[in-house]
Amino acid sequence: QSALTQPRSVSGSPGQSVTISCTGTSSDISGYKYVSWYQHHPGKAPKLMIFDVSKRPSGVPDRFSGSKSGNTASLTISGLQAEDEADYYCCSYAGAYTSFGGGTKLTVL
Amino acid sequence: QVHLQQWGAGLLRPSETLSLTCTVYGGSFSGYFWSWIRQTPGKGLEWIGEINHGGNTNDNPSFRSRLTLSVDTSQNQFSLKLSSVTAADTALYYCARFSLGGEPFDYWGQGTLVTVSS
Repeated sequence: QSALTQPRSVSGSPGQSVTISCTGTSSDISGYKYVSWYQHHPGKAPKLMIFDVSKRPSGVPDRFSGSKSGNTASLTISGLQAEDEADYYCCSYAGAYTSFGGGTKLTVL
Repeated sequence: QVHLQQWGAGLLRPSETLSLTCTVYGGSFSGYFWSWIRQTPGKGLEWIGEINHGGNTNDNPSFRSRLTLSVDTSQNQFSLKLSSVTAADTALYYCARFSLGGEPFDYWGQGTLVTVSS
């Protein structure tokens, strides 16, 4: 079982949109519908932003959206705000095993 | 409201055993898997393993030979023991609630920084 692959960093200006990719295999991302995304600010616990590929928990703004195509899942953040600056991790269930991505640092310019 | 409170030793010497416990306050203890996840410097999040109220476990093969997971349903607690630690086990360790088919890792503990150093 290998970690999912994410870009190390992405950036965007306030108001813009950014997309973070997460690449796995047929054993995880494309094999199951259980892809989730977490926002992590230093010193705080990670926060669930997207689950089951594209569902948002209550309280998460609809600026955050998720999708999946084949072995790649994506998180899109539209209308970027300063508080969106954080690390983002993808996660996939892989049959009695859970795999995380290496994390992507989002910088809001 | 669900709240996870974790504790354990924060400084270990190489070859010692890392021991952490997480208590769940509020909500149901059954019907979920209770998980351990760590964040190593520069390496992101790493899933360690999980246990449910019945004691059924799943774990990351990378830790299997050193890992013991246990649960105490009378106290709504679950625990992690990782033996023979090395500097590579230095990390921020979290407990979290996992639900497959529900909202995964929706509640997290506050995190425990564990440093392994001689």
